[in-house]
Amino acid sequence: EAQVTQNPRYLITVTGKKLTVTCSQNMNHEYMSWYRQDPGLGLRQIYYSMNVEVTDKGDVPEGYKVSRKEKRNFPLILESPSPNQTSLYFCASRSGGRANTGELFFGEGSRLTVL
Amino acid sequence: AQKVTQAQTEISVVEKEDVTLDCVYETRDTTYYLFWYKQPPSGELVFLIRRNSFDEQNEISGRYSWNFQKSTSSFNFTITASQVVDSAVYFCALRGTTDSWGKLQFGAGTQVVVTP
Repeated sequence: EAQVTQNPRYLITVTGKKLTVTCSQNMNHEYMSWYRQDPGLGLRQIYYSMNVEVTDKGDVPEGYKVSRKEKRNFPLILESPSPNQTSLYFCASRSGGRANTGELFFGEGSRLTVL
Repeated sequence: AQKVTQAQTEISVVEKEDVTLDCVYETRDTTYYLFWYKQPPSGELVFLIRRNSFDEQNEISGRYSWNFQKSTSSFNFTITASQVVDSAVYFCALRGTTDSWGKLQFGAGTQVVVTP
């Protein structure tokens, strides 16, 4: 089954404790992206990756890091989480390059709470 | 810069009523794509429709219909004869073709509450 898998789905952590949210897709997609969802703001893009070893900032990259060492994986790293990073996070992927107009496939979301 | 506005924060209806969700967008791109996603209480994002800017035909899928009006930069979504299962947050999104790699610009979402 084609899917985007995120882990963990739920996490409560404390300020400053590094964490990683993993994202893996089994569709051989080139493009992957991370979004965060906050009430009243919709979803905002954090980082995206056009292919292996190629990443770039989205609209709200502060406090986050990403890496793309393999095509299928695109982890989101919070080096020193703060309470304002409490949010619902979505990983997404699609095939093709810049001109590709295909839909984004979203993971099920990871709800993160930073105390 | 691109922008999507969903002015309705929440809409409450009684089952079987129709509900229309408004979406107004801004973009400088001449070619762009518009999307609607549904987010049920379980939290996942469900793709509903994609519309190209050069195709202004309205679309109907079962109880769902979409009205794309380029002249007013709107892409409204109507649920006919609403059901309790339609209760969800609905997001309108825009993807341009000249800025960063296919970023979806989302609206703030509209919460639809359907009561029996």
